[in-house]
Amino acid sequence: DAKTTQPNSMESNEEEPVHLPCNHSTISGTDYIHWYRQLPSQGPEYVIHGLTSNVNNRMASLAIAEDRKSSTLILHRATLRDAAVYYCILREGGNNRKLIWGLGTSLAVNP
Amino acid sequence: DVKVTQSSRYLVKRTGEKVFLECVQDMDHENMFWYRQDPGLGLRLIYFSYDVKMKEKGDIPEGYSVSREKKERFSLILESASTNQTSMYLCASSTGTLLNTEAFFGQGTRLTVV
Repeated sequence: DAKTTQPNSMESNEEEPVHLPCNHSTISGTDYIHWYRQLPSQGPEYVIHGLTSNVNNRMASLAIAEDRKSSTLILHRATLRDAAVYYCILREGGNNRKLIWGLGTSLAVNP
Repeated sequence: DVKVTQSSRYLVKRTGEKVFLECVQDMDHENMFWYRQDPGLGLRLIYFSYDVKMKEKGDIPEGYSVSREKKERFSLILESASTNQTSMYLCASSTGTLLNTEAFFGQGTRLTVV
């Protein structure tokens, strides 16, 4: 199973942009990159996913390196509510329905 | 909004008891999953099901079984609870192969086995 590597923790100030990095050097051509986050005392929630091109949605942007060996989740203006653990996950191509979870990055947002 | 509902937020059970954790989803998803989450180990897949009465083992199925008699309901069963099964249990559901779709999670059940 392809693995991801993320920093254990990061810190940001409220209303500033946050760039959360993820390395996935063993990614294969058909693997999708998914991001989820887990707020305190809640289950994980989906944030965004992509394959090759950069992606934007109402929550965040996903920037994928040209060689696909790394990606960055961008929160454009962090709020206190964005304090969570962020997981970068590779979704293997094919009929396998599994997501392989790492330990994620714990993001602290300072007021 | 998709809802995945787990029957309990907190449970305390005794060693050796049979424990049922229930999960219900309301979006007609074919896939349902049970994970456990432990500090330093992240989320680990116990079992999943991609159709009624179908189940597949995940990465750590030992000591657990599951039941899916109806599409909306997926139960996790601890046949004889042990203290090393104290954990946060998370249920999720999704449609398709998850390649290009998202999974929806419940709030979690924190189980303590004493």
